Amino acid sequence: AQKITQTQPGMFVQEKEAVTLDCTYDTSDPSYGLFWYKQPSSGEMIFLIYQGSYDQQNATEGRYSLNFQKARKSANLVISASQLGDSAMYFCAMREGPNQAGTALIFGKGTTLSVSS
Amino acid sequence: EAGVTQSPTHLIKTRGQQATLRCSPISGHTSVYWYQQALGLGLQFLLWYDEGEERNRGNFPPRFSGRQFPNYSSELNVNALELEDSALYLCASSLGQGLGQPQHFGDGTRLSIL
Repeated sequence: AQKITQTQPGMFVQEKEAVTLDCTYDTSDPSYGLFWYKQPSSGEMIFLIYQGSYDQQNATEGRYSLNFQKARKSANLVISASQLGDSAMYFCAMREGPNQAGTALIFGKGTTLSVSS
Repeated sequence: EAGVTQSPTHLIKTRGQQATLRCSPISGHTSVYWYQQALGLGLQFLLWYDEGEERNRGNFPPRFSGRQFPNYSSELNVNALELEDSALYLCASSLGQGLGQPQHFGDGTRLSIL
């Protein structure tokens, strides 16, 4: 079974609109971390935001926020006021722990976001 | 602060050859991770090095190997190259082993096998 599922291969949004990118995860470990990364066409992976499984509040970083619904095992990324530069591939990733602290990130297959003017 | 640097940017090889990819982590980061991003397969974990030791490896054959040097830089070696090894290879580093420590990625090496 896939550990990270991103069901939207592609999303389209107009500039200045908000967009939600979906991510569901599967783990039996009570301690885990969820990450979102952005990968522009140039290839580099840019860290956006982190949510820990024990965090009480949803994480926010500037225009990025994470809608964390633990019972539903979902960690959707919300981008407010989209900009043309937001066009990229977005990956949701998970790290399980603490016994596995330092192990690799498990990535979803990504969602391509296209922002138009 | 310099980010994770990888070299070369592009590498073209033929089947059966050997490839060496290099990575320098962010200063102060001791953990280095290697990932393969093949078309249609997403990012898959290859190897994790910390303090000079291989700590974990993903589901890849032994012809994928590497090492970490005393300055924490790392090499990924791929022997007996096959066509399906064509991919973007990403290196990442992290500060410490805390669950919330993000991995910071380099720009990758695009390996093409002819």
